[in-house]
Amino acid sequence: EAGVAQSPRYKIIEKRQSVAFWCNPISGHATLYWYQQILGQGPKLLIQFQNNGVVDDSQLPKDRFSAERLKGVDSTLKIQPAKLEDSAVYLCASSPIRGVENTIYFGEGSWLTVV
Amino acid sequence: GNSVTQMEGPVTLSEEAFLTINCTYTATGYPSLFWYVQYPGEGLQLLLKATKADDKGSNKGFEATYRKETTSFHLEKGSVQVSDSAVYFCALNQAGTALIFGKGTTLSVSS
Repeated sequence: EAGVAQSPRYKIIEKRQSVAFWCNPISGHATLYWYQQILGQGPKLLIQFQNNGVVDDSQLPKDRFSAERLKGVDSTLKIQPAKLEDSAVYLCASSPIRGVENTIYFGEGSWLTVV
Repeated sequence: GNSVTQMEGPVTLSEEAFLTINCTYTATGYPSLFWYVQYPGEGLQLLLKATKADDKGSNKGFEATYRKETTSFHLEKGSVQVSDSAVYFCALNQAGTALIFGKGTTLSVSS
């Protein structure tokens, strides 16, 4: 079974520029998450989708971050304009809609450096 | 709200030493509990999980028991190896919700 795919793996941009990250979840997984992991901290949820609807975006800085999952499969996270404090790993994760196990599977992450 | 607190690192051990990483949680209801591991330069991997009180999760020699009375889920391994060097995250979730993570504990094992 293929895992969660993310791209690009690494990105360096200047502040005030924009960047987009792409995620393809595990096939059949209805729930998709974007997390931000700043160096030395645990991952923090940015947004959760159920199919193509947003379940939780309460911690997404909406003045500069946006995310979409138009067809309920892959997703894009965009940052515009980027700030220095956005330097982090952006993790995409997915989980199945059914079942009691609630296991969430993570991609390898997209490492962003803002200079 | 729900939260996870885990012991601060780094934890430095010699090979074959016993490992304990403490994790406690605050949650309403009955969350599922997880340990994730992050090896250098890699993404998060599920190490083990427990979905109800008194369940024991185990994998690769690691164990953790869901203790409702102490709201804890401590990670243990009887004999660590150099290859266990990584960052370990305790996490919880409840049905349909996203994972909430602790800050992570760095383990460094030397030969």
